[in-house]
Amino acid sequence: DAKTTQPTSMDCAEGRAANLPCNHSTISGNEYVYWYRQIHSQGPQYIIHGLKNNETNEMASLIITEDRKSSTLILPHATLRDTAVYYCIVKGDSSYKLIFGSGTRLLVRP
Amino acid sequence: GAVVSQHPSWVICKSGTSVKIECRSLDFQATTMFWYRQFPKQSLMLMATSNEGSKATYEQGVEKDKFLINHASLTLSTLTVTSAHPEDSSFYICSAGGNGGPYNSPLHFGNGTRLTVT
Repeated sequence: DAKTTQPTSMDCAEGRAANLPCNHSTISGNEYVYWYRQIHSQGPQYIIHGLKNNETNEMASLIITEDRKSSTLILPHATLRDTAVYYCIVKGDSSYKLIFGSGTRLLVRP
Repeated sequence: GAVVSQHPSWVICKSGTSVKIECRSLDFQATTMFWYRQFPKQSLMLMATSNEGSKATYEQGVEKDKFLINHASLTLSTLTVTSAHPEDSSFYICSAGGNGGPYNSPLHFGNGTRLTVT
């Protein structure tokens, strides 16, 4: 599976949009981009995933560049409860297995 | 839907004893489950893939005789840490795939088990 690169940490103000970037320049055609987050001392929570089209659900939006080499997770109105480590993971379509990188530690400030 | 339940949420045991952790998929069947370990301030590390009705597949460097995995049914996988030592103290997390198939279905995670070996 392709490797991803994320900033170590970010912060944003409560109520503002949080835009979390992810670089996956070696992604191949059948690999999906998945986003999870982990709030302290809990298991990871699935957020969203996509192949090449932009996706939106009740939690977030996922914007994937046309060349698929990078993506951005958008939390439109961040709250204090969105403070967590966010993981961007590239996964093939033949296995459930997820390999976690270091993720981005997002701090939402009051 | 797609709830994964892990039990216990925390356990303290003495060095040399064994501890069993259960992972259940509550509202779906999971032929494949995964076990992860996470040390403080680190990311999740995949330990093994648990396959229903067959032997688990362990990642490189994980001792299969120390971390026994049993996946006897489509809704239950267990991880037994045998002869636990203080260095096995960690946060253990299980996960299971949904019914949609791996190509377009996320993994769902339990809330983890914090193991402390004294």
